Amino acid sequence: KQEVTQIPAALSVPEGENLVLNCSFTDSAIYNLQWFRQDPGKGLTSLLLIQSSQREQTSGRLNASLDKSSGRSTLYIAASQPGDSATYLCAPVGASGTYKYIFGTGTRLKVLA
Amino acid sequence: DAGVIQSPRHEVTEMGQEVTLRCKPISGHDYLFWYRQTMMRGLELLIYFNNNVPIDDSGMPEDRFSAKMPNASFSTLKIQPSEPRDSAVYFCASSSTGIGEETQYFGPGTRLLVL
Repeated sequence: KQEVTQIPAALSVPEGENLVLNCSFTDSAIYNLQWFRQDPGKGLTSLLLIQSSQREQTSGRLNASLDKSSGRSTLYIAASQPGDSATYLCAPVGASGTYKYIFGTGTRLKVLA
Repeated sequence: DAGVIQSPRHEVTEMGQEVTLRCKPISGHDYLFWYRQTMMRGLELLIYFNNNVPIDDSGMPEDRFSAKMPNASFSTLKIQPSEPRDSAVYFCASSSTGIGEETQYFGPGTRLLVL
């Protein structure tokens, strides 16, 4: 059974810092992995999707890397801004036909102005 | 496009009552997913449909939960009878291709409180 852990659970940083959010998963046989953002009281917004054959994806100030064999993904946020404050969730998708997103518990990020 | 639409946004009911949550996926999307989010268990997939057909309902907690998709533009998640432990935020999401090939678009959620 896939288990997903995200570290740290919460993070508070001053504006402008570069951040690293970590995601680890127990079953490396994944189809791909996706990072989402969730604002309080809202649904999830997809940030980046990394196919299992890829090692990283970039979108603006965000960069996500994937090391499937070691069961790890990292989300880098460059030059953080107060608007980045949200909960960040990673979700690996199983390759064995289950096709389920298994979500981590998330990292609550607060960027202080 | 208006995105994934869910109704109601908030629901307060008493234990034992029937609760029906509704979802309208993005037009043209042929996959629809129902999730539940709680503080204790995080975000869990309950069931998903492809072309209106339920594909995997292994996440449905028990027989009190049922989901239907009578057509491509409408789905319901029903809880009967409801219990306090069903209190959670229920999300609906849709995508245009299979899981993992295309991102899922989430609705704003229905916040359910069962007293």
